[in-house]
Amino acid sequence: NAGVTQTPKFRVLKTGQSMTLLCAQDMNHEYMYWYRQDPGMGLRLIHYSVGEGTTAKGEVPDGYNVSRLKKQNFLLGLESAAPSQTSVYFCASSSQGADTQYFGPGTRLTVL
Amino acid sequence: RKEVEQDPGPFNVPEGATVAFNCTYSNSASQSFFWYRQDCRKEPKLLMSVYSSGNEDGRFTAQLNRASQYISLLIRDSKLSDSATYLCVVRWTDKLIFGTGTRLQVFP
Repeated sequence: NAGVTQTPKFRVLKTGQSMTLLCAQDMNHEYMYWYRQDPGMGLRLIHYSVGEGTTAKGEVPDGYNVSRLKKQNFLLGLESAAPSQTSVYFCASSSQGADTQYFGPGTRLTVL
Repeated sequence: RKEVEQDPGPFNVPEGATVAFNCTYSNSASQSFFWYRQDCRKEPKLLMSVYSSGNEDGRFTAQLNRASQYISLLIRDSKLSDSATYLCVVRWTDKLIFGTGTRLQVFP
């Protein structure tokens, strides 16, 4: 099992460009999450999904969109990147009702 | 006020030392409590869950005080490999709320 994988691992964007981050899990988990981690801020929840076809806003959703068309995939989109979105993005998944979240290795995004 | 507060450290301790981390949370309706470990430039991983009765996993002991909304982690006989950031985590409904972490550096 690969667990949770994220694509890409690194990316540099210019202000105004768009991109999509892909998260995939092979553990048949219902719940998937997108976080960003910034120095001194800790992990903050962007969006999450409690099942295929569902999405919900987290603590810091502005400037991001998500989709969960397939149970194993959770996509995070930036339509018009801003320097404030420079961060490390982590995806996580968990089984329904379980407490343990399994994290992917992260995507390091820089917006110039 | 942050929902989960931790001392950021760093805590610099010699091998073999005992070190304790504390954490407070603001939402009294929080349902579950955890410590996660995060190595430098890596993803967080679950270290252990925390129960009111206290629980131990080898050299690690975690304790929860619901009345004071306080969580602790004790590491005995520190190893070089314990160097990492320790995240205090609280569950509320479908979401986990993370503290900013406490950095531990164990030196020879």
